[in-house]
Amino acid sequence: AQTVTQSQPEMSVQEAETVTLSCTYDTSESDYYLFWYKQPPSRQMILVIRQEAYKQQNATENRFSVNFQKAAKSFSLKISDSQLGDAAMYFCAYRNRGGSNYKLTFGKGTLLTVNP
Amino acid sequence: DAGVTQSPTHLIKTRGQQVTLRCSPISGHKSVSWYQQVLGQGPQFIFQYYEKEERGRGNFPDRFSARQFPNYSSELNVNALLLGDSALYLCASSLAAGQGRYEQYFGPGTRLTVT
Repeated sequence: AQTVTQSQPEMSVQEAETVTLSCTYDTSESDYYLFWYKQPPSRQMILVIRQEAYKQQNATENRFSVNFQKAAKSFSLKISDSQLGDAAMYFCAYRNRGGSNYKLTFGKGTLLTVNP
Repeated sequence: DAGVTQSPTHLIKTRGQQVTLRCSPISGHKSVSWYQQVLGQGPQFIFQYYEKEERGRGNFPDRFSARQFPNYSSELNVNALLLGDSALYLCASSLAAGQGRYEQYFGPGTRLTVT
């Protein structure tokens, strides 16, 4: 079974600064997807960024980028130029790519606070 | 286009009662998944349905059941409610099941409180 670990229950960052959220995972599969989801107080889970394991290039979406280290099974999220609207719970998630790859496996989340 | 919708937004039930939660997927999406999110934890997978058939089940007791209708909407039923069933129940829809490239889009959830 796959597991996802987020070792930082809470993080804080000053507005306009950069913050990195950590995530490690365990799997015996070689082909899979990794995701970062954002859950603001409104509760809506929003996809921030996706990484395909077979791609060596790290994914980037505007101010959000990842550092994907497949051998180390590490998948961190970097948020640049942090904004007040980035404050939320951030979840790292895993999904197999082949077969019955229906489910997302989530970490416990990191609560990000952005200070003005 | 409307996103994933869920109803009700909140509800309060008593131990031993039964509850039904509803989900309407994004138009054109044929797969619906259900997740339970206990306070302070990440979501945990309960079920996935695709074309009205169950495609996957998480580690939840038989008190939990679900179904998908011809219009691809879905219901999650929980019988004999326990205090531990208090959680946010999330529904997610995707175009298809089994093909890894299809993203799951989440609804706003139903907050269930069992007293």
